Amino acid sequence: DGGITQSPKYLFRKEGQNVTLSCEQNLNHDAMYWYRQDPGQGLRLIYYSQIVNDFQKGDIAEGYSVSREKKESFPLTVTSAQKNPTAFYLCASSITLSQPQHFGDGTRLSIL
Amino acid sequence: QQPVQSPQAVILREGEDAVINCSSSKALYSVHWYRQKHGEAPVFLMILLKGGEQKGHEKISASFNEKKQQSSLYLTASQLSYSGTYFCGTQFNDYKLSFGAGTTVTVRA
Repeated sequence: DGGITQSPKYLFRKEGQNVTLSCEQNLNHDAMYWYRQDPGQGLRLIYYSQIVNDFQKGDIAEGYSVSREKKESFPLTVTSAQKNPTAFYLCASSITLSQPQHFGDGTRLSIL
Repeated sequence: QQPVQSPQAVILREGEDAVINCSSSKALYSVHWYRQKHGEAPVFLMILLKGGEQKGHEKISASFNEKKQQSSLYLTASQLSYSGTYFCGTQFNDYKLSFGAGTTVTVRA
């Protein structure tokens, strides 16, 4: 079955450490996204990519980086510059930017 | 640019109706509606394009008022399975979605 796989489900980061969250899709979608969700809040866009080797900053890109070397993969790195990284991170994909988004099950990141 | 959703929360008994509103200060290209159950990923419900069309999903329907730049989601004869947080996402011409803060719906037996 097609879908989006995020890993790991839970991740712990030490102060000053970079961590990378994985997102893989086999839906053959061109567009992919990373969102951050804090308790009781909506989804805030971190980065998005319309095609391979191209990505754009979202509303809260500071302290994060991405790459899009393959169509099916869009990893997110949370750098040490992100001072408050504890959140639920959701990856999504869609055929194009204007089409419905399909979400992965998310990665919950916590600081040790 | 984040749309404003209202109300923030609503509690219903099975069979009751509710309306969730999503308003924007900018001219919209489209509105997306998603539902997220606790601890799960959001699930797409429907898209409305400018033009005022109304769409439906089960007994959940939505409308788009272009003049007011507002979309409304209608939960009709609510069921227990309708519980969750509903998010609207708005798109302007650059196609980037901006999500509202969400409306938490609790349906009780």
